[in-house]
Amino acid sequence: NAGVTQTPKFRVLKTGQSMTLLCAQDMNHEYMYWYRQDPGMGLRLIHYSVGEGTTAKGEVPDGYNVSRLKKQNFLLGLESAAPSQTSVYFCASSPPGGVRELFFGEGSRLTVL
Amino acid sequence: AQRVTQPEKLLSVFKGAPVELKCNYSYSGSPELFWYVQYSRQRLQLLLRHISRESIKGFTADLNKGETSFHLKKPFAQEEDSAMYYCALSGLQGAQKLVFGQGTRLTINP
Repeated sequence: NAGVTQTPKFRVLKTGQSMTLLCAQDMNHEYMYWYRQDPGMGLRLIHYSVGEGTTAKGEVPDGYNVSRLKKQNFLLGLESAAPSQTSVYFCASSPPGGVRELFFGEGSRLTVL
Repeated sequence: AQRVTQPEKLLSVFKGAPVELKCNYSYSGSPELFWYVQYSRQRLQLLLRHISRESIKGFTADLNKGETSFHLKKPFAQEEDSAMYYCALSGLQGAQKLVFGQGTRLTINP
């Protein structure tokens, strides 16, 4: 049982390049989330989704876009990467009925030069 | 607005000593509080939640609404407790997201 899988796990980009992070979960969870983890800042919510076809902004959404075309997948896109987006990105999922326990992926380390 | 503050970025204690990781929150309604832990090379995972009133791996946390705190405690630290700890908050009744604190890196010295 894979749980939450993120790809890629590592990526180096140049400023201005675009990329997409893929999150897949096999637990049939309704809720999915993208967080970024930065030293001294903790985990900050970028975007989230409470169901297929729905997305909502979190605390730090600027510079990112997301899509939830299929229930099991949640994509995070960077259209024009900036050095400030260098971070570790975590995807998480949760069953419906009010968030209780988040199930996290292993993280994706992104460096923007 | 929801806010979680963990005042200590780093905390170092000796094995066998008591541990307390501080967490304060700001929320206008009735909160639900959680502690998440990330051990080296492992995924972030739920450690405990206040509503369960349980002890996990010897850790306990009590919600103090008067002081708006949810400190994590363990009477005798073990080396395997070394990890990154995050306090998190959600509103009750169908809340859709968790807000995390800045995290505290706990190091247990032998």
